Amino acid sequence: AQSVTQLGSHVSVSEGALVLLRCNYSSSVPPYLFWYVQYPNQGLQLLLKYTSAATLVKGINGFEAEFKKSETSFHLTKPSAHMSDAAEYFCAVSDQNSGGSNYKLTFGKGTLLTVNP
Amino acid sequence: GAGVSQSPRYKVAKRGQDVALRCDPISGHVSLFWYQQALGQGPEFLTYFQNEAQLDKSGLPSDRFFAERPEGSVSTLKIQRTQQEDSAVYLCASTIVSGTQYFGPGTRLTVL
Repeated sequence: AQSVTQLGSHVSVSEGALVLLRCNYSSSVPPYLFWYVQYPNQGLQLLLKYTSAATLVKGINGFEAEFKKSETSFHLTKPSAHMSDAAEYFCAVSDQNSGGSNYKLTFGKGTLLTVNP
Repeated sequence: GAGVSQSPRYKVAKRGQDVALRCDPISGHVSLFWYQQALGQGPEFLTYFQNEAQLDKSGLPSDRFFAERPEGSVSTLKIQRTQQEDSAVYLCASTIVSGTQYFGPGTRLTVL
């Protein structure tokens, strides 16, 4: 079974400061890893995904994440926070078995990011 | 092009009522997923379709939950005899096979 742990349900940063959102996963097979962002009353929007190519993945809005197999981590970072980054962020995992529902996503509980002026 | 749409966006039901939630996937997307997101939690998988075939319904919490996709496009999630614990946001996502899942805005269900 797969699982995702997001450390810190709430992270608060100042505008311009580094953003670091932590995600650790558990998977018995090579994983696909994802970060999604959710703005209030909206669905989930994909920020970036790791699919076994480069371990450093660049996404939209200046976010990036690094896959570290030895640490089973996939932390999300952004060098300089902007007010518009305030949202809830979800880390998710699926496995790389071919086809069908093996691509269902298992999500963490989410991290709410607030950005202070 | 249009994204995934869901209707209604908000639904209030009295306990015991039946509800039907609709998902219109992106045109041409073969796979469709339903997730349930309780307040303060991450989404949890409910069920998965490939075209009209329901290949995985392991996440449906009880036999009161039923999903269908009869023509391989629009899908409906039905909840019979709603209970307060069914209150959640229900998210639909569609994708080409093994591709990125694109999510709709969700339906917020409140059971009184």
